[in-house]
Amino acid sequence: DTEVTQTPKHLVMGMTNKKSLKCEQHMGHRAMYWYKQKAKKPPELMFVYSYEKLSINESVPSRFSPECPNSSLLNLHLHALQPEDSALYLCASSQVSGGNQPQHFGDGTRLSIL
Amino acid sequence: AQSVTQLDSHVSVSEGTPVLLRCNYSSSYSPSLFWYVQHPNKGLQLLLKYTSAATLVKGINGFEAEFKKSETSFHLTKPSAHMSDAAEYFCVVSLYISGTYKYIFGTGTRLKVLA
Repeated sequence: DTEVTQTPKHLVMGMTNKKSLKCEQHMGHRAMYWYKQKAKKPPELMFVYSYEKLSINESVPSRFSPECPNSSLLNLHLHALQPEDSALYLCASSQVSGGNQPQHFGDGTRLSIL
Repeated sequence: AQSVTQLDSHVSVSEGTPVLLRCNYSSSYSPSLFWYVQHPNKGLQLLLKYTSAATLVKGINGFEAEFKKSETSFHLTKPSAHMSDAAEYFCVVSLYISGTYKYIFGTGTRLKVLA
């Protein structure tokens, strides 16, 4: 069991659909992350939120829109995605205070774009 | 520039034999280093972390890693492989960027355990 919960586990959507991915943690962490992972590759950072404010956007296309409504919740809104966006989307969280604080990962949402 | 290199993309061992997964890093200061494991269709699970307290770090499931500054290495070892250890392993360095900490991942090592 992971302490970071992601829903849904699987998502299939068309290129014109709008959907959202959800991530929740109750460890009191103040940094939350979205990663994209393609098969047989390491995760690639997309966004970082620190104290509910967006601190890093790794030049992600605007069809991905993150939101952090509160310190426990992180959303990723999806719109007009492309087939190459099919991937495993991982959420993670960590204490903000130090680089020696590890990130805790959820099990991800497997996204398929038709 | 800070980076991390995993020297082997694939490693195969027989069950019950030792495991060695190699990782080298480059950093202009004393880094925070981590090893994670990822089983198929799962997220990343922390095995262990180095944060300058001790050079030999013990982790979960019998894994350990030794930080060697002179060799800029942080290799992961386990005395005896188990079938359940078959997975992808990532070596990670943590960097402070834009007011928060960011992970730099190695390219991963796929461990295969033979019966």
